[in-house]
Amino acid sequence: EAQVTQNPRYLITVTGKKLTVTCSQNMNHEYMSWYRQDPGLGLRQIYYSMNVEVTDKGDVPEGYKVSRKEKRNFPLILESPSPNQTSLYFCASSLTGMFGNTIYFGEGSWLTVV
Amino acid sequence: DAKTTQPNSMESNEEEPVHLPCNHSTISGTDYIHWYRQLPSQGPEYVIHGLTSNVNNRMASLAIAEDRKSSTLILHRATLRDAAVYYCILRDRQTAGGTSYGKLTFGQGTILTVHP
Repeated sequence: EAQVTQNPRYLITVTGKKLTVTCSQNMNHEYMSWYRQDPGLGLRQIYYSMNVEVTDKGDVPEGYKVSRKEKRNFPLILESPSPNQTSLYFCASSLTGMFGNTIYFGEGSWLTVV
Repeated sequence: DAKTTQPNSMESNEEEPVHLPCNHSTISGTDYIHWYRQLPSQGPEYVIHGLTSNVNNRMASLAIAEDRKSSTLILHRATLRDAAVYYCILRDRQTAGGTSYGKLTFGQGTILTVHP
């Protein structure tokens, strides 16, 4: 079954404690990205990756890092989380970055920073 | 980024057709029109997409105006499981490092309520 898998699904952490949200897809997709969803602001792109070792900033990259060492994985790293990073996070992937490709989303990771 | 305009909310009765409108007057020639929906507590889910011609799949139909400045998502027989936020999105061209790709920019979407 085609899947985008995120972990953890739910996490409460403290300010400043580094954390990583993992994302893995089993569809051999080249394009992957991270979004955050906040009430009233909708989904906003944090980072994206066109392929292995190719990443770039989205609309709201501050406070986040990503890496793409393998095609299937695209972890989101919060080096020093702050309360304003409390949000619902979604990882997504598509075959390529081209306009007609379908994008598949994970189930989301609820992150609370206290 | 090209913008879309959707009604904030719509209501329907079960087993009736639903027509969800979307305006995108600044669409460019290479923008694909995508529709996604988000059920409560889930990630967005692909519904349908098109460029110029009307499109049908097992979930819905997409009717695109001849000038491409508007489109309509049609759910032929709404069910309670279709209650969701529906997003009309233009996947537009972005360029990074000399490579073009299609970026999805989400708006607020239309909250669809389906009554039994």
